[in-house]
Amino acid sequence: GENVEQHPSTLSVQEGDSAVIKCTYSDSASNYFPWYKQELGKGPQLIIDIRSNVGEKKDQRIAVTLNKTAKHFSLHITETQPEDSAVYFCAAASGNTPLVFGKGTRLSVIA
Amino acid sequence: EAQVTQNPRYLITVTGKKLTVTCSQNMNHEYMSWYRQDPGLGLRQIYYSMNVEVTDKGDVPEGYKVSRKEKRNFPLILESPSPNQTSLYFCASSFGGRSTEAFFGQGTRLTVV
Repeated sequence: GENVEQHPSTLSVQEGDSAVIKCTYSDSASNYFPWYKQELGKGPQLIIDIRSNVGEKKDQRIAVTLNKTAKHFSLHITETQPEDSAVYFCAAASGNTPLVFGKGTRLSVIA
Repeated sequence: EAQVTQNPRYLITVTGKKLTVTCSQNMNHEYMSWYRQDPGLGLRQIYYSMNVEVTDKGDVPEGYKVSRKEKRNFPLILESPSPNQTSLYFCASSFGGRSTEAFFGQGTRLTVV
């Protein structure tokens, strides 16, 4: 089945700097790659997703890139702010397999 | 407001005492699932349902049961809870199944002593 590896497990950045979180997946049939943000005491919430027919997607300060050949995808957050501090999860799925999540990255933005 | 509602938010129980965690969504979603979240292990799927009366095992189904008698509700049942089921549980729903946005509930923190 699908296996998703996520790195790093923790990440600290200065406010205003960029943060990058990377994930790899094993199942070449996976075609949907969402990123979720989990704030303290809350459930995960989708922040951006990308499908396998697209290489990059941006939404304001957040971008995701996908390299299907290498089977990896990354989350980029620019101009980080304290409210970006949270746990971030990547995931992968196909039409035949459910979402498989990475183990999460705890991002701390230091003011 | 579109939401997934779980109850209770916090629960402490004793080993072997049956319990049910309820989950309800108001978005008319077909696909619902349960996850447990443990430190260092991320989110692992327990059970999922693709529609009413259709349920299937996820990655960690042992010790859990589910039912889907109505589209909006997907309760998680622990017939005989054990301490290794102490965890943070999330219910999620989505419209189109596996490759669409999942909406998560607020979570249920369960402690089994």
